[in-house]
Amino acid sequence: GQSLEQPSEVTAVEGAIVQINCTYQTSGFYGLSWYQQHDGGAPTFLSYNALDGLEETGRFSSFLSRSDSYGYLLLQELQMKDSASYFCAVTSPDGAGSYQLTFGKGTKLSVIP
Amino acid sequence: ETGVTQTPRHLVMGMTNKKSLKCEQHLGHNAMYWYKQSAKKPLELMFVYNFKEQTENNSVPSRFSPECPNSSHLFLHLHTLQPEDSALYLCASSPRETVTEAFFGQGTRLTVV
Repeated sequence: GQSLEQPSEVTAVEGAIVQINCTYQTSGFYGLSWYQQHDGGAPTFLSYNALDGLEETGRFSSFLSRSDSYGYLLLQELQMKDSASYFCAVTSPDGAGSYQLTFGKGTKLSVIP
Repeated sequence: ETGVTQTPRHLVMGMTNKKSLKCEQHLGHNAMYWYKQSAKKPLELMFVYNFKEQTENNSVPSRFSPECPNSSHLFLHLHTLQPEDSALYLCASSPRETVTEAFFGQGTRLTVV
């Protein structure tokens, strides 16, 4: 089966840096991605890591260590609008020759002044 | 705007009703998905369609019945639902070749009374 673990809630101060961790156990692995979801909105794609290392996109960075089955999302220069839920997701084979995307439970980030 | 449109946005139905959720995408993607999002739980994959063929069921109860008439449209037919089926139902699409990035609709907030 597939399972992903991430903290349920994180609180951080505006302007600070926050790291959201994700560990996973999956049957097969192609990559780890991150999605952001504001209350009442749709999940939106943030990043994807297929190889070990750090990927940077503006204020957001994502890291992957395949040997540790671990990744994290790093948010810098936090803004109030970053308050949202963040989901890690694993792309893995579905056993039928295609791919599937399995999500963690999400981390609710609250940014405070 | 992600290019994936879901209707209706909100739906209240009785346990004896029959209703359908609709999803539409014009991104040229060949894979479409139904996810269920309940409070405090991960996004749960319900159905996957690749090239209009169902490839994943995930043991979803038969009171949920998907239909994919073409690569741009996906339906979820609902009948004799239970109150515990109340949730946000999200449709997503991705290129068949990879699920590095999924595009989600805004979801249908379903309440079963």
